[in-house]
Amino acid sequence: DQQVKQNSPSLSVQEGRISILNCDYTNSMFDYFLWYKKYPAEGPTFLISISSIKDKNEDGRFTVFLNKSAKHLSLHIVPSQPGDSAVYFCAARGAQKLVFGQGTRLTINP
Amino acid sequence: DGGITQSPKYLFRKEGQNVTLSCEQNLNHDAMYWYRQDPGQGLRLIYYSQIVNDFQKGDIAEGYSVSREKKESFPLTVTSAQKNPTAFYLCASSIAQGYEQYFGPGTRLTVT
Repeated sequence: DQQVKQNSPSLSVQEGRISILNCDYTNSMFDYFLWYKKYPAEGPTFLISISSIKDKNEDGRFTVFLNKSAKHLSLHIVPSQPGDSAVYFCAARGAQKLVFGQGTRLTINP
Repeated sequence: DGGITQSPKYLFRKEGQNVTLSCEQNLNHDAMYWYRQDPGQGLRLIYYSQIVNDFQKGDIAEGYSVSREKKESFPLTVTSAQKNPTAFYLCASSIAQGYEQYFGPGTRLTVT
């Protein structure tokens, strides 16, 4: 039972353009959502988060949008840079535990 | 320099042997976690601990064991009962359960 799903295993974007990574969830009790970035052979690093009482949170080039009625969140990166190439995981908090999606591999092309 | 350390980065073992993965944090976090990552899959929770001398099974605890004798240490033992032990193992900690988790660099375990 995959409660948090990232349906796109990979995404390729041209440098300077917008990258949009998507995440869907099924549990309406999730109250906090996070995005992590992971480089190969390294641990994930926290990127940005959003509470379920908000619909948008912005931090520099990164913006997370939450649509509770659709149970959908997205991460926008603009402008995309080569260093953004990594695997991105969304995570949702429920019952004091984090549930992670499968990850989306983002490749930024020059 | 605060952070989480995992050692070693790469570990090789023969099938049938138990192996213990180290995880140490100096962030003064109460909660610690062990995850497993396999290709094409997300992070799956093995065990977690909210406080010293207490730990709970995660989603895939079978074949694994942990201890939490000190706040800063949360070692994971992969036993011979674990059917598919080859994977990338990640340790994480957070100030308390449910808050942002900070991850270590991971240990890649290969069992042949």
